[in-house]
Amino acid sequence: AQSVTQLGSHVSVSEGALVLLRCNYSSSVPPYLFWYVQYPNQGLQLLLKYTSAATLVKGINGFEAEFKKSETSFHLTKPSAHMSDAAEYFCAVSESNAGNMLTFGGGTRLMVKP
Amino acid sequence: ETGVTQTPRHLVMGMTNKKSLKCEQHLGHNAMYWYKQSAKKPLELMFVYNFKEQTENNSVPSRFSPECPNSSHLFLHLHTLQPEDSALYLCASSQNNRAPTYGYTFGSGTRLTVV
Repeated sequence: AQSVTQLGSHVSVSEGALVLLRCNYSSSVPPYLFWYVQYPNQGLQLLLKYTSAATLVKGINGFEAEFKKSETSFHLTKPSAHMSDAAEYFCAVSESNAGNMLTFGGGTRLMVKP
Repeated sequence: ETGVTQTPRHLVMGMTNKKSLKCEQHLGHNAMYWYKQSAKKPLELMFVYNFKEQTENNSVPSRFSPECPNSSHLFLHLHTLQPEDSALYLCASSQNNRAPTYGYTFGSGTRLTVV
């Protein structure tokens, strides 16, 4: 069975500081991993995804994530936070043998201070 | 525009009302989903449809009734709701059997308030 844990339901950074949002997964087979972003009163928008190609994945808005099998992690980073990055971020996992089901983490709300 | 359109964007209804939420996609996807997102709670999967057939019902109360007349449209019929049903209801779609690598496409949601 697949599962996702996002450490820290709230993360606060200063504008210009490094953003690090943590995601650990559990999967019985090689996983596919996703990060989604949700702005207030909006749906979820795909930021980036790992599908067994390069372990360092680049996404939109300057975000990237690195798949580390040994740590079962897929942490999301951005070198320099912008005010517009304030949103909720969701990590999700799917398995090739789980049909079309994604399992989402509990979400992390990112706050950016001026 | 995300490719998945949900209407209405906002809905206020009394506990005795009957209303419906609509979701439409023209992405050629054949799997559609309803999620409930409440404040301070994780995303809750409610229903899954594959090729118009319901394949998941996550113990959702019968006051929520889904309908999928074709692969492009999904409805959520609501009746005799409770205040705790107030939430953002999200629709998503995916290419069946390709979601593991492509993920889901979400609509912008319907903000439901039950009074």
